Amino acid sequence: QKEVEQDPGPLSVPEGAIVSLNCTYSNSAFQYFMWYRQYSRKGPELLMYTYSSGNKEDGRFTAQVDKSSKYISLFIRDSQPSDSATYLCAMSPNYGGSQGNLIFGKGTKLSVKP
Amino acid sequence: NAGVTQTPKFQVLKTGQSMTLQCAQDMNHNSMYWYRQDPGMGLRLIYYSASEGTTDKGEVPNGYNVSRLNKREFSLRLESAAPSQTSVYFCASSAPPGITDTQYFGPGTRLTVL
Repeated sequence: QKEVEQDPGPLSVPEGAIVSLNCTYSNSAFQYFMWYRQYSRKGPELLMYTYSSGNKEDGRFTAQVDKSSKYISLFIRDSQPSDSATYLCAMSPNYGGSQGNLIFGKGTKLSVKP
Repeated sequence: NAGVTQTPKFQVLKTGQSMTLQCAQDMNHNSMYWYRQDPGMGLRLIYYSASEGTTDKGEVPNGYNVSRLNKREFSLRLESAAPSQTSVYFCASSAPPGITDTQYFGPGTRLTVL
């Protein structure tokens, strides 16, 4: 079993839809959970960051972590065509993964149709 | 403030040729990383340098060498390129724990080995 599982999609939704992206993991040592957004032919950029369990909201984006289920989610409200990108979950036992232990999911490709 | 820069952007090699991928950051970060991204495999860590003067292997180090030239620069060398090394290579950097909560990525180098 891979440490981090993420459905690669692709996921296609109409503009304005609520999008739910998810990852599961097996390593109970993970404490820091991140979502990166990667546009085509670009490097990943940090979108959301959460420590331990709970919710975090930033504009149209909400990140949820359920450590008891080893499950994290990213919700996008009122999705826009500009949200079309690949979304990568990432997690680490330590802050920022500076010990080389930031583990990424394979990414979910999202397409938001006008 | 350019962030993380990588050169070259594209490269085509023949099997057995060597090359060095260059990475530089201007954010005064301590830690730097080299990842490769392949379809269906996600981002995988090749090598990282937690601080100037140190380097450590990641998940997929075979066939690569690295040099942390100074605090700003971290290079990745392929001594004898193989078709299996065809990939997109990303360099990233991060500040010490407690300062920032993210790895910042460069734009990537697309490498094809024929």
